[in-house]
Amino acid sequence: DAKTTQPPSMDCAEGRAANLPCNHSTISGNEYVYWYRQIHSQGPQYIIHGLKNNETNEMASLIITEDRKSSTLILPHATLRDTAVYYCIVRVAGETSGSRLTFGEGTQLTVNP
Amino acid sequence: DGGITQSPKYLFRKEGQNVTLSCEQNLNHDAMYWYRQDPGQGLRLIYYSQIVNDFQKGDIAEGYSVSREKKESFPLTVTSAQKNPTAFYLCASSIAATGGLNTGELFFGEGSRLTVL
Repeated sequence: DAKTTQPPSMDCAEGRAANLPCNHSTISGNEYVYWYRQIHSQGPQYIIHGLKNNETNEMASLIITEDRKSSTLILPHATLRDTAVYYCIVRVAGETSGSRLTFGEGTQLTVNP
Repeated sequence: DGGITQSPKYLFRKEGQNVTLSCEQNLNHDAMYWYRQDPGQGLRLIYYSQIVNDFQKGDIAEGYSVSREKKESFPLTVTSAQKNPTAFYLCASSIAATGGLNTGELFFGEGSRLTVL
């Protein structure tokens, strides 16, 4: 199973870009990188996912290295409401078996005023 | 609106009692999941179901049971055999098929917080 490694915590100033790293050195060729975030005491929310190309949506950008062994989630202009735990997981798109569905401890991002 | 509804949001239980947490989705998703989250920790998979009338154990299934009699419903029973049941429980669902517009994302409910007194 592809595992992910994330720093336990990060801080960011409001209005600045937040760059959250994730290592996934054992990722398989058909596995996507997914990012979710969880605001305290709520259910996790999907942010973005990608296979090998960089991706951007209204919430964030995802940069995946050429060897696909790591990625970075970028929140271009962090706000206080972006304070949350961010999870990086890898799985095959549409995979519904349990082996790819474990969420680690993620990164606690704190956006400071 | 389409989504996942978990109930109750908060639940208190005495030791030795079974309790059932409800999870209903109107997204027409085939797959449904139950996770447990302890303070400061990630999500651990309890059970998952890829299709009606079928389910598999996740990483921490002991002391829990589930059923999947209807596509839209996946209730979780926390039995008295679960030694440390106090936790935050999250239900999720996803589309099973790959390709096309399927992003493979998981849709989560708002969670149920169980406290054993």
